[in-house]
Amino acid sequence: AQSVTQPDIHITVSEGASLELRCNYSYGATPYLFWYVQSPGQGLQLLLKYFSGDTLVQGIKGFEAEFKRSQSSFNLRKPSVHWSDAAEYFCAVGARTNAGKSTFGDGTTLTVKP
Amino acid sequence: AAGVIQSPRHLIKEKRETATLKCYPIPRHDTVYWYQQGPGQDPQFLISFYEKMQSDKGSIPDRFSAQQFSDYHSELNMSSLELGDSALYFCASSSDGPPTDTQYFGPGTRLTVL
Repeated sequence: AQSVTQPDIHITVSEGASLELRCNYSYGATPYLFWYVQSPGQGLQLLLKYFSGDTLVQGIKGFEAEFKRSQSSFNLRKPSVHWSDAAEYFCAVGARTNAGKSTFGDGTTLTVKP
Repeated sequence: AAGVIQSPRHLIKEKRETATLKCYPIPRHDTVYWYQQGPGQDPQFLISFYEKMQSDKGSIPDRFSAQQFSDYHSELNMSSLELGDSALYFCASSSDGPPTDTQYFGPGTRLTVL
């Protein structure tokens, strides 16, 4: 069965600082991996995804993520955080069968200090 | 660009009542997914439909049923509501089809059961 672990429940960074959110997955083969962002009371917005090919994936809002098979990780990074990035971030793994059902991690809440 | 539409956005019901949530996918998307997100929880996959047929089933209670109609919209029917059903219900749609689909999420329906 597929699973996702986001080790950090809550992260606080200063505006302008760099950010890395961790994600580890468990899946029997090469997974489909996603990062979503959710602002309070809002829906999930897709930041980026990895299916195959280049292991460094660029997304929207200046985010990127790197797929590392050897570490079963798909960490999300941003070089300079903006106050508007404060939100909850979910990593998800999608199956390559069964209409792409996604399994989500528990989420990481990002707080940005002025 | 058109997004996934969910209605209603908010719904308040009492225990043992029924509720129907509707999802209108992005035009030309043929796959619909339903997720349930409890307070402070990550989204949990309930059920999905591809070309109007159920394609996968997750942790959906027997009290819930869903279907996808000829115009590809989907409805989630919930009966004998319980307090624990209070959650944010997301619908997502995709067009690539399994197994490489990217899911686009709607804003969610917030169901409160009193």
